[in-house]
Amino acid sequence: DAKTTQPNSMESNEEEPVHLPCNHSTISGTDYIHWYRQLPSQGPEYVIHGLTSNVNNRMASLAIAEDRKSSTLILHRATLRDAAVYYCILRDDSSYKLIFGSGTRLLVRP
Amino acid sequence: NAGVTQTPKFQVLKTGQSMTLQCAQDMNHNSMYWYRQDPGMGLRLIYYSASEGTTDKGEVPNGYNVSRLNKREFSLRLESAAPSQTSVYFCASSRGYSGNTIYFGEGSWLTVV
Repeated sequence: DAKTTQPNSMESNEEEPVHLPCNHSTISGTDYIHWYRQLPSQGPEYVIHGLTSNVNNRMASLAIAEDRKSSTLILHRATLRDAAVYYCILRDDSSYKLIFGSGTRLLVRP
Repeated sequence: NAGVTQTPKFQVLKTGQSMTLQCAQDMNHNSMYWYRQDPGMGLRLIYYSASEGTTDKGEVPNGYNVSRLNKREFSLRLESAAPSQTSVYFCASSRGYSGNTIYFGEGSWLTVV
């Protein structure tokens, strides 16, 4: 499984945008880029995923570099409820497995 | 909607005891998973079941067995619990593979003393 690299932690102010980076230099052509987040004492929840093009949904946006070796999760207006560990995960097109790394812990200041 | 339901939520075991963690999903999903999460760490895949009737090992299968009882249920068994198995266990399910979203349960906190 291809690896991802994320900063251990990031901080943001409430109601400001947050850009969470992820490097995946060994990504293959069939790997989807998934983002999940885990709130304290809860199971992970899906945020967004994409293959090549940028993606938007009600929770966030995913910006994928043209060479696909990096991506950025964008939270447009951080709230206190967005404080969580965010995981960037590569998942092969034919794989059932979702392999987690250590993620980025996001702290949101009021 | 219940989604993914795990039982029990909390359990304390003595070393050498056995127990089974139960998981059920009501989303008609084909694939189910068991993960463990140690303090301050990311999740690690123990076993998964791509579809009813199949199971496969994940990253850390040693010390565990699984049963895909039917399409809805996927159980995880610890035959002889060890302190190293103290962890939070998450069950999850998805419609299939690759781009499909995985939905997680709320977790089962297991302590082995």
